[in-house]
Amino acid sequence: DAGVIQSPRHEVTEMGQEVTLRCKPISGHDYLFWYRQTMMRGLELLIYFNNNVPIDDSGMPEDRFSAKMPNASFSTLKIQPSEPRDSAVYFCASSFTSEKLFFGSGTQLSVL
Amino acid sequence: DAKTTQPPSMDCAEGRAANLPCNHSTISGNEYVYWYRQIHSQGPQYIIHGLKNNETNEMASLIITEDRKSSTLILPHATLRDTAVYYCIVKYVHNNNDMRFGAGTRLTVKP
Repeated sequence: DAGVIQSPRHEVTEMGQEVTLRCKPISGHDYLFWYRQTMMRGLELLIYFNNNVPIDDSGMPEDRFSAKMPNASFSTLKIQPSEPRDSAVYFCASSFTSEKLFFGSGTQLSVL
Repeated sequence: DAKTTQPPSMDCAEGRAANLPCNHSTISGNEYVYWYRQIHSQGPQYIIHGLKNNETNEMASLIITEDRKSSTLILPHATLRDTAVYYCIVKYVHNNNDMRFGAGTRLTVKP
């Protein structure tokens, strides 16, 4: 298996623009997690899914952020409109029965 | 989930054992101890986890005290590539399936 695949690897956008981050989890995994990492706040859990259903989205910063998982092999994290304070590395992770998490390489987002 | 306390940073000489401590004095009986590490600019990587007994795999050993209030991750022969931030997490498997990371310990392996 290729592991958790995230795209794009880097994203530079201007304030106010819509940003969509994508994640393909490992086949057969039933949990999917979205994290955000900044120097100030460290690694924060934003939302996680179990069998494509959002379980806990209490970490989502505000209504500008939304996440979907239309099927077992794909998830998106959308920011609309984006702001400079959203600049961070966004990680996706998947796991089987919430045991060990496997992380993707992350998306480096810069909002100018 | 129980909170954990880790030293912010540690150094280790290359080839020596690295012993990373973690305090989790409020851990409950059904909470597991997990260790992950994050090498610069990469996603975190699972290392090992355990409940009560000591565990060993190809990467490391996990020693959990009898009262389970603390644990130690041991990298038996540290290499420069082990330089990373190491996170200790306690997680209740059945009712709380999230994984929240603290600040971790920044381990620097020196030649």
